[in-house]
Amino acid sequence: EAGVVQSPRYKIIEKKQPVAFWCNPISGHNTLYWYLQNLGQGPELLIRYENEEAVDDSQLPKDRFSAERLKGVDSTLKIQPAELGDSAVYLCASSLTRNEQFFGPGTRLTVL
Amino acid sequence: DQQVKQNSPSLSVQEGRISILNCDYTNSMFDYFLWYKKYPAEGPTFLISISSIKDKNEDGRFTVFLNKSAKHLSLHIVPSQPGDSAVYFCAASGDSNYQLIWGAGTKLIIKP
Repeated sequence: EAGVVQSPRYKIIEKKQPVAFWCNPISGHNTLYWYLQNLGQGPELLIRYENEEAVDDSQLPKDRFSAERLKGVDSTLKIQPAELGDSAVYLCASSLTRNEQFFGPGTRLTVL
Repeated sequence: DQQVKQNSPSLSVQEGRISILNCDYTNSMFDYFLWYKKYPAEGPTFLISISSIKDKNEDGRFTVFLNKSAKHLSLHIVPSQPGDSAVYFCAASGDSNYQLIWGAGTKLIIKP
């Protein structure tokens, strides 16, 4: 069974530029999550989808971040414009049940 | 306000001995707890979980203990192996919520 796929793995951009991350969850997993992880910290939830509906986006900075999950499968997370403080690892996860989330390898974003 | 705390940033253990990783939480509504393991440049992978109706769950070399009165859980790895060297995250959820609240992680180093 294929795991959660994320691309790109690494991205370096200059501040004020836009950036997008893509995630393909495990087949059949209705729930998809986007997390942000800073060095030395645990993941912090940005947004959770149930199928194509964003059911929890309370932690998403909506002035610059946006996400979509068209057709309830793949998802894209966008930052526009990026700021220096957005440098972090962006993790995508999916789950079938409440209890266990499966993570992709993450995208390491560096904003210069 | 950290609801899930892992107070040891790192832990060094001799190969073959027991590794004990600790986690404390403050929210009494948490009813499900998970441990994840993370290698560098990879996403976290699920290790073991425990429901609040139990006080112990065992899976091979890994055992998680839950002390609800103390709001404390621990992960025991016996015997420790070199491949166990990784960052271990404790996470909690509650109130039938899919949201996981994560600790900051403990880096476990297994010495040969």
